[in-house]
Amino acid sequence: QQQVKQSPQSLIVQKGGISIINCAYENTAFDYFPWYQQFPGKGPALLIAIRPDVSEKKEGRFTISFNKSAKQFSLHIMDSQPGDSATYFCAAPPAASKLTFGTGTRLQVTL
Amino acid sequence: GAGVSQSPRYKVAKRGQDVALRCDPISGHVSLFWYQQALGQGPEFLTYFQNEAQLDKSGLPSDRFFAERPEGSVSTLKIQRTQQEDSAVYLCASSAGPLSYNEQFFGPGTRLTVL
Repeated sequence: QQQVKQSPQSLIVQKGGISIINCAYENTAFDYFPWYQQFPGKGPALLIAIRPDVSEKKEGRFTISFNKSAKQFSLHIMDSQPGDSATYFCAAPPAASKLTFGTGTRLQVTL
Repeated sequence: GAGVSQSPRYKVAKRGQDVALRCDPISGHVSLFWYQQALGQGPEFLTYFQNEAQLDKSGLPSDRFFAERPEGSVSTLKIQRTQQEDSAVYLCASSAGPLSYNEQFFGPGTRLTVL
């Protein structure tokens, strides 16, 4: 059973454009929503995270929007750059001892 | 080094062989996690240690998988009698605390190929 559903599976954006990746979850007990970035041959690295007591968090070009009533959260990458080309995973903690990850979005930023 | 390290980075095993994968977490991190990442998929939880105690092993796919962290630092994931379906990247992560929002730092992974 997939606890977080991520879309789209892949995304192509022109340099300077906005990349948007969405995640939906079922478990209302989730209390932490991180986004991870993974480059080929590397482990995932935390990009940005949000707690459910706020609706938006911005760090540089990266923003998480959180909709508690819809049980959805999304990652927005403003002014997308070729260096942002990577796979992005949303995640949530079904328990303090683990994270459950989405299936990933492969982002390609073209020149 | 400041990050999580894993060894070997690549491992090729013949079906039926036993393998051992090592994880060196960030010094002082009490929590250690193992995840399995199949090609084109997100990481899937295998097991969790808090110091030397294995508190959650609900994700281990079979009794062929065994993990230990005897001194609360380095951890080893052992897979006995490897099968082709065990082929994946095995990721180790550590965090400074036991709470869900303590950032997990991932190592580069060990890519296991079972022939």
